[in-house]
Amino acid sequence: DVKVTQSSRYLVKRTGEKVFLECVQDMDHENMFWYRQDPGLGLRLIYFSYDVKMKEKGDIPEGYSVSREKKERFSLILESASTNQTSMYLCASWEDSTEAFFGQGTRLTVV
Amino acid sequence: DAKTTQPNSMESNEEEPVHLPCNHSTISGTDYIHWYRQLPSQGPEYVIHGLTSNVNNRMASLAIAEDRKSSTLILHRATLRDAAVYYCIRFWNTDKLIFGTGTRLQVFP
Repeated sequence: DVKVTQSSRYLVKRTGEKVFLECVQDMDHENMFWYRQDPGLGLRLIYFSYDVKMKEKGDIPEGYSVSREKKERFSLILESASTNQTSMYLCASWEDSTEAFFGQGTRLTVV
Repeated sequence: DAKTTQPNSMESNEEEPVHLPCNHSTISGTDYIHWYRQLPSQGPEYVIHGLTSNVNNRMASLAIAEDRKSSTLILHRATLRDAAVYYCIRFWNTDKLIFGTGTRLQVFP
């Protein structure tokens, strides 16, 4: 019954490393989104994609990039990880205005 | 502003109904209202959504005001497993889900 899968539940990376967070959905959805969640700030939108090879900036894109080479996969890239990027990262997908599906989240710690 | 307004926290006793309010005074005519909840250490999960009329499903009911400026999520009989953060969200403009800080629901036995 898996719908949105994030490659890792927990990651620990060093400052300056390039980090890839992978998200795969099996519902053939066109829309995919990356959020980060921090205590007291709720979920904030980083990037989203409406189609293959298309991407749009969300509210907090600085320090991040994304890649969508295939419809089912949406990758979030931290070009040079910093400690202020320690957070919970959530991927989601949906179609039209119906139910959105979220992954379990990746808790990233940058040391 | 696309964000909705919800109380920070609410409490309920087990087996009692819970009414979670949400204000979305700037909603446009084509925006849907969605509710999601997030259990500890999990991603948000869909609860219910609606446009104009009230909606029911196996998890909850959604009551939307006639002017659509507010809505209420109704849990008919709260259980301990309903303790979560509940988010009221409108689909806005470019079809993004914009989250507010939600309502943390505590359920007491």
